[in-house]
Amino acid sequence: ILNVEQSPQSLHVQEGDSTNFTCSFPSSNFYALHWYRWETAKSPEALFVMTLNGDEKKKGRISATLNTKEGYSYLYIKGSQPEDSATYLCAPGSSASKIIFGSGTRLSIRP
Amino acid sequence: GAVVSQHPSRVICKSGTSVKIECRSLDFQATTMFWYRQFPKQSLMLMATSNEGSKATYEQGVEKDKFLINHASLTLSTLTVTSAHPEDSSFYICSAREGLSGNTIYFGEGSWLTVV
Repeated sequence: ILNVEQSPQSLHVQEGDSTNFTCSFPSSNFYALHWYRWETAKSPEALFVMTLNGDEKKKGRISATLNTKEGYSYLYIKGSQPEDSATYLCAPGSSASKIIFGSGTRLSIRP
Repeated sequence: GAVVSQHPSRVICKSGTSVKIECRSLDFQATTMFWYRQFPKQSLMLMATSNEGSKATYEQGVEKDKFLINHASLTLSTLTVTSAHPEDSSFYICSAREGLSGNTIYFGEGSWLTVV
């Protein structure tokens, strides 16, 4: 997996609004897809690891879907809060050891 | 949750010297650790995969003699940047996979290296 694209690159959302962003990747040689939240000056935090086509995962107000056949994953945030401000990274992998990161979506929540 | 500690968080070294960065898994055994580098406004680039007790696997284009990786125990991997040059200045971050087949990968806090 060489080309991982995340869109948009940055996003400004009003507090309380819901939002979503996309991770696109080649559908061949798919093993798993990781989503991370990376706040400034902290370690990237694992949100989800998804392996099956059609997978949907949820953690609080954040959820993600996966389509391995067409090569995309969506991350949704419901009712955005200031603490959701971070860079969200997706990382598809062709094996347990080979994961490639996208450049991330930088999310900023306006109070 | 699992914790990975990376040290130092910031280091400044003189051109031509070597600098070592440590990555420790604090509450789990990490058979595999990964080292990444991030250039400004770019994504994390995998440099090498570090396996406990064996040689690291380097990605294409990464000089193994320049970026020495040692994974001597199940909780510690080190990256040594040898004969550092200003172009090696970057953000380096490690991650560790819990157990032999776990899918979740935990990251350290990263290290900012400045070579002057």
